Amino acid sequence: GAVVSQHPSRVICKSGTSVKIECRSLDFQATTMFWYRQFPKQSLMLMATSNEGSKATYEQGVEKDKFLINHASLTLSTLTVTSAHPEDSSFYICSARVWGGSYEQYFGPGTRLTVT
Amino acid sequence: GNSVTQMEGPVTLSEEAFLTINCTYTATGYPSLFWYVQYPGEGLQLLLKATKADDKGSNKGFEATYRKETTSFHLEKGSVQVSDSAVYFCALTNTGTASKLTFGTGTRLQVTL
Repeated sequence: GAVVSQHPSRVICKSGTSVKIECRSLDFQATTMFWYRQFPKQSLMLMATSNEGSKATYEQGVEKDKFLINHASLTLSTLTVTSAHPEDSSFYICSARVWGGSYEQYFGPGTRLTVT
Repeated sequence: GNSVTQMEGPVTLSEEAFLTINCTYTATGYPSLFWYVQYPGEGLQLLLKATKADDKGSNKGFEATYRKETTSFHLEKGSVQVSDSAVYFCALTNTGTASKLTFGTGTRLQVTL
């Protein structure tokens, strides 16, 4: 149990376009989902915390108008990278916390974004 | 604030060797501690966890003991396999931080035959 999926797993887009990444909890309800960014050979950087039905809380230095997060249901959160640029190329990982459970987070497999 | 310090890698071991990856932390209160593993091209998987002092987390032959007196949570395995090659992240979460995870920088383990 506690499976989190992400779609797509890889995406290549042109500079200036927008791309949406989906994060789904497949077998549990997640009131809170987290979005991370991981640079090559580095640790995960928390971008934002997404609570179902409310606005996301962004970490310092993360542009909320560039990284739009929507958490419309207990099983789905989306991250939209708007007007993408090559420096946005990265590995984006989501995680979900079980509603009513411990503070444990379950991670998705990640999405590799390449902006050309 | 919270922080996690891991030993720098890469760590290269022969198969069946003993593994230790050091992890120390700084946190207020009583954090929960985790080890996550990331295989190439994949997301993170929870390897083990401990939620209070002196707890020992264990899974797939890996162990780590929550040591409050030394603020440590070192990862150990008695006999590593090639399939254990991955990046290992130590992390903590504190109930006062809305369950945000604070990660260490990760330690790459390479196991050779």
